[in-house]
Amino acid sequence: AQTVTQSQPEMSVQEAETVTLSCTYDTSESNYYLFWYKQPPSRQMILVIRQEAYKQQNATENRFSVNFQKAAKSFSLKISDSQLGDTAMYFCAFMKRVSGTYKYIFGTGTRLKVLA
Amino acid sequence: DSGVTQTPKHLITATGQRVTLRCSPRSGDLSVYWYQQSLDQGLQFLIQYYNGEERAKGNILERFSAQQFPDLHSELNLSSLELGDSALYFCASSVTGENTEAFFGQGTRLTVV
Repeated sequence: AQTVTQSQPEMSVQEAETVTLSCTYDTSESNYYLFWYKQPPSRQMILVIRQEAYKQQNATENRFSVNFQKAAKSFSLKISDSQLGDTAMYFCAFMKRVSGTYKYIFGTGTRLKVLA
Repeated sequence: DSGVTQTPKHLITATGQRVTLRCSPRSGDLSVYWYQQSLDQGLQFLIQYYNGEERAKGNILERFSAQQFPDLHSELNLSSLELGDSALYFCASSVTGENTEAFFGQGTRLTVV
């Protein structure tokens, strides 16, 4: 069975600094997708970034980038130039195709606080 | 706005009661997923429907049930409610295709008193 592990329950970072959130997963699949979702205090789940397992190039979205290490089954999120609005819970998610649809598995989350 | 609509946004009810949560997926999305998020916890997968049929079941209690209707909206029914059922209930939808993520509604916050 697939599992997703986020080993950092809480983290903090100074505004304008860089922080990395870790995520590891376990799967025997070769084709899958990985995501980072952000859940701010509003509790809305917002997609931050996605990565296709077949792509070697790490995904980047503005200040957000990932370090995808397929062999190590690691998918960390780097936030550069942290802003107060980045304060949120961050969830790592694994997705694969199952019988024509998608199955999503979420980690337990990392609570990030950006300090002024 | 994700395009996924959940109603109601807030619900307060007494123990032992039954409630129905509603979800309208994004236009064209065939899959609907229900998740439960207790206070400051992660997302617990409850159940998935695809084009009207149940596709996957997670940690869903027997007191809970769901269905997806021909117009693809879904309802999650929670009965014999207990205090511990108080949580944020998310609906998400996706469409089978390439590079697709799950789009989440804003959630229904259920408080059982």
